[in-house]
Amino acid sequence: DAKTTQPNSMESNEEEPVHLPCNHSTISGTDYIHWYRQLPSQGPEYVIHGLTSNVNNRMASLAIAEDRKSSTLILHRATLRDAAVYYCILRDVATDKLIFGTGTRLQVFP
Amino acid sequence: GAGVSQSPRYKVAKRGQDVALRCDPISGHVSLFWYQQALGQGPEFLTYFQNEAQLDKSGLPSDRFFAERPEGSVSTLKIQRTQQEDSAVYLCASSLVGGRPSTDTQYFGPGTRLTVL
Repeated sequence: DAKTTQPNSMESNEEEPVHLPCNHSTISGTDYIHWYRQLPSQGPEYVIHGLTSNVNNRMASLAIAEDRKSSTLILHRATLRDAAVYYCILRDVATDKLIFGTGTRLQVFP
Repeated sequence: GAGVSQSPRYKVAKRGQDVALRCDPISGHVSLFWYQQALGQGPEFLTYFQNEAQLDKSGLPSDRFFAERPEGSVSTLKIQRTQQEDSAVYLCASSLVGGRPSTDTQYFGPGTRLTVL
């Protein structure tokens, strides 16, 4: 399974944009890039996913590098509720399971 | 709407006891997953069902772990003769369809925190 690398932790102030990076240099052509986040004492929740093009939804934006070896999850205006561990996950066409790393712990300060 | 529910939310067991953890997936979801999350770590895959068929159990750590989904809806994860290293949060997730894993969203329950004394 292709591996992802994320910083252990990041900090942001409330209402500022947050850019969470993810490196995946061994990504294959059919791997989708997924992001999940886990709020304290809860199960993970889906945030966004993409293949090649940048993606936007009501929660976040996903910017994918042209060579697909890295991606960035963008929270446009961080709120206190966005404090969580963010996981960047690669999924291929044959893998049903999610393979989590250790993720990035995002702290948001008022 | 109703999400994935798990019971009990907390379970304390003495070493050597058997435990059973229940997962109620979202109604109509075909796929069901169990994950184990140790303190400070990301979740790790245990096993996967598509309807009642257990298609992947490669993540079960030992033969003391057993999972079933007999009618293709509710699932139970059973751990026999619990050990201290089994202490973790056990997460259940469901997804609408199988066979399209690249884009299928998994919906997680709140987890069961198991503490083995």
